[in-house]
Amino acid sequence: GAVVSQHPSRVICKSGTSVKIECRSLDFQATTMFWYRQFPKKSLMLMATSNEGSKATYEQGVEKDKFLINHASLTLSTLTVTSAHPEDSSFYICSARGLAGGPVNDEQFFGPGTRLTVL
Amino acid sequence: AQSVAQPEDQVNVAEGNPLTVKCTYSVSGNPYLFWYVQYPNRGLQFLLKYITGDNLVKGSYGFEAEFNKSQTSFHLKKPSALVSDSALYFCAVRAFIPGAGSYQLTFGKGTKLSVIP
Repeated sequence: GAVVSQHPSRVICKSGTSVKIECRSLDFQATTMFWYRQFPKKSLMLMATSNEGSKATYEQGVEKDKFLINHASLTLSTLTVTSAHPEDSSFYICSARGLAGGPVNDEQFFGPGTRLTVL
Repeated sequence: AQSVAQPEDQVNVAEGNPLTVKCTYSVSGNPYLFWYVQYPNRGLQFLLKYITGDNLVKGSYGFEAEFNKSQTSFHLKKPSALVSDSALYFCAVRAFIPGAGSYQLTFGKGTKLSVIP
């Protein structure tokens, strides 16, 4: 099946620093990638939707200047948490959706997640 | 707006017994429904989906789900639970979001399944 990777799987940083998380679709092209945030014992909260080559669409309440999303190619999207604070500590999950008519059609596949801890 | 309800935060079942994890949904038009499983500190793994056709959908690891249009339900089932099935299960519905101009998944809050040896 289709594989989505995330790097790093776990990161610990100091308050005020920026952290970049990469999301890659390894064996298919993804026109659309999604970034989710998951709080402990809670469901996934969609943060933003990004389409290759265009600006991300952020959900209400998500600060676009704090959570920078870049989707520069059909296989890579990055989420940068700028000036991270302890309240940004969370589990971040990316998801990639294939091209309609492509090898995985327009199914959505999830990465393994990144655990961010801000001290 | 679309929504998914998983009425049980936790389901406990003895190993070898049948299990059911409940899900109801609300969406305009024909529903695309999904079940995902999440193990601790891991991403979501796809279990099964319903788009059209037979109301009983078979998926990975012996799981199946029954689509019931009149009750707007899509309950996840397995005839004989394993301890290794213990995990967090999410039901989701896919719908077109006009504001975003694309399809998005809306998830339920999740149900923790504990299979007791």
